[in-house]
Amino acid sequence: DAKTTQPPSMDCAEGRAANLPCNHSTISGNEYVYWYRQIHSQGPQYIIHGLKNNETNEMASLIITEDRKSSTLILPHATLRDTAVYYCIVRPNTGNQFYFGTGTSLTVIP
Amino acid sequence: DAGVIQSPRHEVTEMGQEVTLRCKPISGHNSLFWYRQTMMRGLELLIYFNNNVPIDDSGMPEDRFSAKMPNASFSTLKIQPSEPRDSAVYFCASSFPSGTFTDTQYFGPGTRLTVL
Repeated sequence: DAKTTQPPSMDCAEGRAANLPCNHSTISGNEYVYWYRQIHSQGPQYIIHGLKNNETNEMASLIITEDRKSSTLILPHATLRDTAVYYCIVRPNTGNQFYFGTGTSLTVIP
Repeated sequence: DAGVIQSPRHEVTEMGQEVTLRCKPISGHNSLFWYRQTMMRGLELLIYFNNNVPIDDSGMPEDRFSAKMPNASFSTLKIQPSEPRDSAVYFCASSFPSGTFTDTQYFGPGTRLTVL
């Protein structure tokens, strides 16, 4: 059961920052937030994950609110190749299943 | 570094036929997951293995579906008999659990199954 809520779609201008929000108000203390994306016809691709602190890697930044009830994935300089469906996932603390919701379809516009 | 390998990439079969999908996880990973993706239901977890042992198969739709992992480097998902509603993209993923709920799953390219 997905524990996250994401907007179904967003647009972003090429070269601008894309900020993708996610609500996870029922998240438990030791549950991680993961972000994946799926480019058309490919398998989902890992982007980033975090627990409490903000995280950054070569692909993106993850900002988690202090109460952990929401987070934002930031793609700092979106390119056309970033057009994809982005999934925000709360990883349950029992077992290691991921439950993918419906995600946000991001379209980067030239 | 090879990622998760799936075969075949495309499969077209007729209703009633047996279908076998194959997956080779990333070397060293000890968890393996089978997912199915359709437009109607999105990405669904079917079954996952830890150390070659099935842990949770609650997502397997019915008895026509079976999955095996005979060794750490190979898994199969079998559908017998296949039906048109089984048409979907089937993904395999693998991970190396760290024990602190931070394992990351790496997905294969998927097998697009069409049952006529």
